[in-house]
Amino acid sequence: DGGITQSPKYLFRKEGQNVTLSCEQNLNHDAMYWYRQDPGQGLRLIYYSQIVNDFQKGDIAEGYSVSREKKESFPLTVTSAQKNPTAFYLCASSNPGLAGVDEQFFGPGTRLTVL
Amino acid sequence: DQQVKQNSPSLSVQEGRISILNCDYTNSMFDYFLWYKKYPAEGPTFLISISSIKDKNEDGRFTVFLNKSAKHLSLHIVPSQPGDSAVYFCAASARYNQGGKLIFGQGTELSVKP
Repeated sequence: DGGITQSPKYLFRKEGQNVTLSCEQNLNHDAMYWYRQDPGQGLRLIYYSQIVNDFQKGDIAEGYSVSREKKESFPLTVTSAQKNPTAFYLCASSNPGLAGVDEQFFGPGTRLTVL
Repeated sequence: DQQVKQNSPSLSVQEGRISILNCDYTNSMFDYFLWYKKYPAEGPTFLISISSIKDKNEDGRFTVFLNKSAKHLSLHIVPSQPGDSAVYFCAASARYNQGGKLIFGQGTELSVKP
């Protein structure tokens, strides 16, 4: 069954702690993305990666870090530098390929709450 | 600077009627547009897309219309069903120069009443 998994579904952390959100896909997609969703603001791009060992900042990358050591995995670390980390985080993947763009497939999301 | 805007945060429609969700964009380089549907605490799911070479694309009850001169697209759902109640996001991309990046609107929450 192909898809994207994110774990955990709910995550609680104390202020000042770093936390890493997992994202795994078995769709053989080249590109992966991280978004955060806040009420009334839609989905905002944090980081994206078009290929293994390469990634670019999105619109709101400050306070976050990523790695792309494997094609299947794109973990997101929310650092203590992120001023407002409580949000719903979504991971996605796609195969832009020759068309330059393709629909993105999303994982179920992780709700992070910083206490 | 919001490049993709959905100016209606919510929409309420009677079951069986048409739902029309609107989306405006400012970047004339956008040439591919998508609609996603999202239930609470879940990831968005892809609904329908349209390339800028077309002005209409239809898939079952869902039709997307694109007006390039007005930089406006809309999603029509006919007939609307209670299961369509969700948040709908439009997204846009400029192919070949954005690496597959999508720019999302703020979303419109559709409520279909029985």
